[in-house]
Amino acid sequence: GAVVSQHPSRVICKSGTSVKIECRSLDFQATTMFWYRQFPKQSLMLMATSNEGSKATYEQGVEKDKFLINHASLTLSTLTVTSAHPEDSSFYICSASQGIDEQYFGPGTRLTVT
Amino acid sequence: QKEVEQDPGPLSVPEGAIVSLNCTYSNSAFQYFMWYRQYSRKGPELLMYTYSSGNKEDGRFTAQVDKSSKYISLFIRDSQPSDSATYLCAMSGAGAGSYQLTFGKGTKLSVIP
Repeated sequence: GAVVSQHPSRVICKSGTSVKIECRSLDFQATTMFWYRQFPKQSLMLMATSNEGSKATYEQGVEKDKFLINHASLTLSTLTVTSAHPEDSSFYICSASQGIDEQYFGPGTRLTVT
Repeated sequence: QKEVEQDPGPLSVPEGAIVSLNCTYSNSAFQYFMWYRQYSRKGPELLMYTYSSGNKEDGRFTAQVDKSSKYISLFIRDSQPSDSATYLCAMSGAGAGSYQLTFGKGTKLSVIP
């Protein structure tokens, strides 16, 4: 089946620093990748949608200058949380789609900002 | 009214029971319906994927979609403790590029041995 990996699985950083999270589709080419965040006991909230080689489309209320997304290839997308603050602490999950409406999710990255 | 409604539970059942999980939705444009299982602190795992109305069966899992009622269900037969997880329904619209998923809040299920 389609496998999506994320790295790192957990990261702790100090307030004001930047953190990069990688999302890779391991055995398929992902035309579209999605980034979600999930707070405890909440559902996934879509942050942005990215297509390979083009700029990401951000959901309303998501700061594009704070959450930088790069979809450099058909197998790799990165999310950089810039100048992280404690309120950015969350579970970040990516998903990848081959363009047939099914999305395959990564295992998630737990970010803690101290 | 939220686009997708799902009872968050928690739902607790004895091992071997039949579990019924449901979602209702308001957007008639949804055409693709999915159920995801999410273990604690893990990413969601796709369980079932259906297009339009009808039933789909995969092992102990059966997904039902009733578009006329805007109602979808997931049934789990012979439930096992390993089925204990949060189950999220999700749906998306029709047409190329309509990949954005709208999720329910998830139902937390506990199967008691």
